[in-house]
Amino acid sequence: EVRLVESGGGMVQPGGSLKLACVTSGFTFDEFGMHWVRQAPGKGLEWVSSISWNSGATAYAGFLKGRFSISRDNAKRSLFLQMNTLETEDTAFYFCAKGPFKQMKYNWFDSWGRGILVTVSS
Amino acid sequence: QSVLTQPPSASGTPGQRVTISCSGGGSNIGSNFVYWYQHLPGTAPKLLMFRDNERPSGVPDRFSGSKSGTSASLAISGLRSEDEADYYCASWDDSLTGYVFGTGTTVNVL
Repeated sequence: EVRLVESGGGMVQPGGSLKLACVTSGFTFDEFGMHWVRQAPGKGLEWVSSISWNSGATAYAGFLKGRFSISRDNAKRSLFLQMNTLETEDTAFYFCAKGPFKQMKYNWFDSWGRGILVTVSS
Repeated sequence: QSVLTQPPSASGTPGQRVTISCSGGGSNIGSNFVYWYQHLPGTAPKLLMFRDNERPSGVPDRFSGSKSGTSASLAISGLRSEDEADYYCASWDDSLTGYVFGTGTTVNVL
């Protein structure tokens, strides 16, 4: 069974940083692209970032303006999202998702975690 | 701000057919596949449809997808109470070089 479990969320002040992790099991992690998607309170799903199987390709949503960085550790079967210069608008549930192939473009998200809450507030 | 537009809500009685539309543009739906996700708040979103109209294993054939030009649709036939959820379309956008989601549609079973 594919499992994706997010951690690292919590409350942080505006301008602060936080690093999310997604630990996976049930599939060969280094054979698939991975993704982060978020959902702000009362809002819809919003794509954040994607990374290919070997970290050779990454993509970010335009609104991030270089504040977030996606990475992965294939040996630890883990995906990460480093979030810097956080803004109140970044408050959301952050979901980790798995793609069906090695590349991170032009694909769907076939398995998702339950999400972790990040609250940015003073 | 979502690039793909969906109606905020849709409803039907048990057994009815409900259709959800998703309107995009040439750089996303017009040139790439559409995917559909089902989401119950507090749970992990679930893939319902990929490559416009293909169902993952385990998704009942009551769910069907279609696409024409820069618009797509998800149909739910034989509506059941467990279909009450939020539904999102999504696609890759070549101009934005990233994924875009629809605004989301809440399906209510009356």
